[in-house]
Amino acid sequence: QAVLTQPASVSGSPGQSITISCTGADNDIGRYNYVSWFQQHPGKAPKLIIFDVTDRPSGVSNRFSGSKSGNTASLTISGLQPEDEADYYCSSYTSSARGVFGGGTKLTVL
Amino acid sequence: QVQLVQSGAEVQKPGASVKVSCKASGYTFTDFYIHWVRQAPGQGLEWMGWIKPQNGGTNSARDFQGRVAMTRDTSINTVYMELTGLRSDDTAVYYCARGPLWPRFDYWGQGTVVTVSS
Repeated sequence: QAVLTQPASVSGSPGQSITISCTGADNDIGRYNYVSWFQQHPGKAPKLIIFDVTDRPSGVSNRFSGSKSGNTASLTISGLQPEDEADYYCSSYTSSARGVFGGGTKLTVL
Repeated sequence: QVQLVQSGAEVQKPGASVKVSCKASGYTFTDFYIHWVRQAPGQGLEWMGWIKPQNGGTNSARDFQGRVAMTRDTSINTVYMELTGLRSDDTAVYYCARGPLWPRFDYWGQGTVVTVSS
């Protein structure tokens, strides 16, 4: 079961910005700058879009950005586009040398 | 180019075991960890564990301890994940993914569907 807490759903209109939160604890998000975000379209494998809290892999649009404050990480998508409609998952490293995911957030582009 | 190619779909009965393989290519096999992640139908991602191909070290999520075994064969750049004591709620797509120790998964396998049904 998910240890990191995300909103189940968010929505926005094309061109708008949205933010997805990911709340953990002192021994995961609060301790390490090892938060990643993944985008998953139906029937596809997840895709890495943010790593190490704020960094973007080569080829990922700069409309995606990440941040962290305390035990909560956030993903912001600016200039929403229809193709951004997908599920988004956060993940973090933990003090027991394990990984953990959030429950996922379904983004709807209205 | 980096590729992770997984074995094909499996159908198993409750109580049985399943072993999924993940063959890596396009990079130095021992330079990265391989993590296993599963996704039940309509559900979210669940981290299962990692294996360090360099020395075979492993760590797994508490929910899977005692039921999951991860191994590797460095001669063929392949890792394996075996899950025992299968239950119906183990029905899921199982992914392998490349990363460092922490979950920064830049390449994923195509997924292996495991169905547990009597």
